[in-house]
Amino acid sequence: DIQMTQSPSSLSASVGDRVTLTCRASQSISSNYLNWYQQKLGTAPKILIYATSTLQSGVPSRFSGSGSATAFTLTISNLQPEDFATYYCQQTITNPLTFGGGTKVAIK
Amino acid sequence: QEQLVESGGGVVRPGRSLRLSCAASGFTFSNYGMHWVRQAPGKGLEWVAVMWNDGSKTFYADSVKGRFTISRDNSKNTLFLQMSSLRAEDTAMYYCATYVVSSNYYYFDFWGQGTLVTVSS
Repeated sequence: DIQMTQSPSSLSASVGDRVTLTCRASQSISSNYLNWYQQKLGTAPKILIYATSTLQSGVPSRFSGSGSATAFTLTISNLQPEDFATYYCQQTITNPLTFGGGTKVAIK
Repeated sequence: QEQLVESGGGVVRPGRSLRLSCAASGFTFSNYGMHWVRQAPGKGLEWVAVMWNDGSKTFYADSVKGRFTISRDNSKNTLFLQMSSLRAEDTAMYYCATYVVSSNYYYFDFWGQGTLVTVSS
């Protein structure tokens, strides 16, 4: 199984900050199959970015993704109040599909 | 507008069974592979199972293999998860989600609001 490890597990930031979340895979995966989801408290996850860097329709351009092989990042520039949430990476290259443990972005 | 609505959750004793449903509307259900994903209270997301759009293939997480069965009725736009031999560690919110599959990417698009399963004596 491919293990996905996210860091940090949580962070505190202020509105307007730039934050970078990291996701590492236990083996190399094609960038086509690395996705990021946002989950706000009490709601279902929502797709943010697929194929490492493609923003889902409607997602603000302050979100961006990059990476390759085993190291991927999600960057939120100019953090907004609605961005405080937990973010999960996911690999979909092979079953079992696996998620990272999540990074909770909290208000400082 | 696309919508997924899960139902069937509740409190059940260890060792018993439960059947979850996921009713789809607003899109062509039979075009999509469908997944179940669960989230234990205060924990992260765990993929549970997938069924191909035509029902031809299924895959399960090792943690549920042999105990859970995913199925679908495309004529009724509904996905199911039959859960048996339930354990305390199966306690979670269960979400269904559509699977976008292309030649270049796979990802979960629409998600339901979830149905809570609590396994407790």
